Amino acid sequence: EVQLVESGGGLVQPGGSLRLSCAASGFTFSIYWMHWVRQTPGKGLVWVSRINSDGSSTTYADSVKGRFTISRDNAKNTLYLQMNSLRADDTAVYYCARWSPRGRGADYWGQGTLVTVSS
Amino acid sequence: EIVLTQSPGTLSLSPGERATLSCRASQSVSSSYLAWYQQKPGQAPRLLIFGASSRATGIPDRFSGSGSGTDFILTISRLEPEDFAVYYCQQYGTSPYTFGQGTKLEIK
Repeated sequence: EVQLVESGGGLVQPGGSLRLSCAASGFTFSIYWMHWVRQTPGKGLVWVSRINSDGSSTTYADSVKGRFTISRDNAKNTLYLQMNSLRADDTAVYYCARWSPRGRGADYWGQGTLVTVSS
Repeated sequence: EIVLTQSPGTLSLSPGERATLSCRASQSVSSSYLAWYQQKPGQAPRLLIFGASSRATGIPDRFSGSGSGTDFILTISRLEPEDFAVYYCQQYGTSPYTFGQGTKLEIK
């Protein structure tokens, strides 16, 4: 069974840092591209970042570029999102999602981890 | 970036009725790389449609997608009680891979 489990969320002050993790199981993690998507409570989905299967290529939304870094450890079946210089508008539930090959969309999602940026 | 505009914002229908949800892009979506997701309260999104018209694994055939270029439609032929949720479109042909703002499908 495919499982994605996020962790690392919590309360952080503006300007602070946090690292999210997404532990993958039930599939061959190393061959899938992975994405992070966030959702402000009560609002819509916002794409954040994606990484290719071997970690050599990454892409970011303009709103997080230069502050967030996506990475992965295929030996540990884990996806990461390092978030620096956090702002109040980064407050959201962060989901990791598996990207199905050949342009077939995000077929599995984790349950999300809440990040709250507040003083 | 490609802006996706979904309409209507809220759709009120009864079980058994047909639902038609629209997603319009600010520029052409490359290779029809358009997906639809369903999200229920407290749950993660669920992939329904990819490539504008292909159903994801396990999705009932009452869900169908159509369209190309800048105009896309999600149709639910006969609404079941479990279909009342929020629906999002996403384009993934051009980075950033933007989402629409969502359509809430509610019970009338």
